[in-house]
Amino acid sequence: GENVEQHPSTLSVQEGDSAVIKCTYSDSASNYFPWYKQELGKRPQLIIDIRSNVGEKKDQRIAVTLNKTAKHFSLHITETQPEDSAVYFCAASKAFGNEKLTFGTGTRLTIIP
Amino acid sequence: ETGVTQTPRHLVMGMTNKKSLKCEQHLGHNAMYWYKQSAKKPLELMFVYSLEERVENNSVPSRFSPECPNSSHLFLHLHTLQPEDSALYLCASSQDRGTGYTFGSGTRLTVV
Repeated sequence: GENVEQHPSTLSVQEGDSAVIKCTYSDSASNYFPWYKQELGKRPQLIIDIRSNVGEKKDQRIAVTLNKTAKHFSLHITETQPEDSAVYFCAASKAFGNEKLTFGTGTRLTIIP
Repeated sequence: ETGVTQTPRHLVMGMTNKKSLKCEQHLGHNAMYWYKQSAKKPLELMFVYSLEERVENNSVPSRFSPECPNSSHLFLHLHTLQPEDSALYLCASSQDRGTGYTFGSGTRLTVV
């Protein structure tokens, strides 16, 4: 089955700086890569996703990049703000292949004011 | 509201009690999931239901018993739990098993 590794497990960034979280996956057939954000005491929420037919996707201050050859994908947050503090999870699956999402172990991001 | 509702939000139970967690989704999804979230294992998949049929059970102890009476409802029946079962239990649903998971707000369970 799919195996997703996520690094780092914790990350502290000065407000205004950029944050990068990286994930690798094992199954070359995986083609869907979402990122979830979980604020303290709240449910995980989808913030951005990418499919294997594109290499990069942006949504305001967040972007995700995908390198299919190397089987890794990354979340980039620019101009970080205190409300970006949360735990972020990456995941991978074969979309429409009736196989579940496999989640990474999470990154606790802390924005230092 | 996200479309996935979990009750109760908080639950304290003794080790000899029997209780049930409830999840309801209003999104027309056909797959539902139970996850356990603790400090040691951030998102630990417990059960997967697809079209009301259990399709995955990740070596979960028998003191956890899931039930999916229809595609909108999912239960987790609990009995004779251990203190190490204290965690946040999250329900999720999706249209197909690979994409678009929507999570509920979770039930914070404390076993005393």
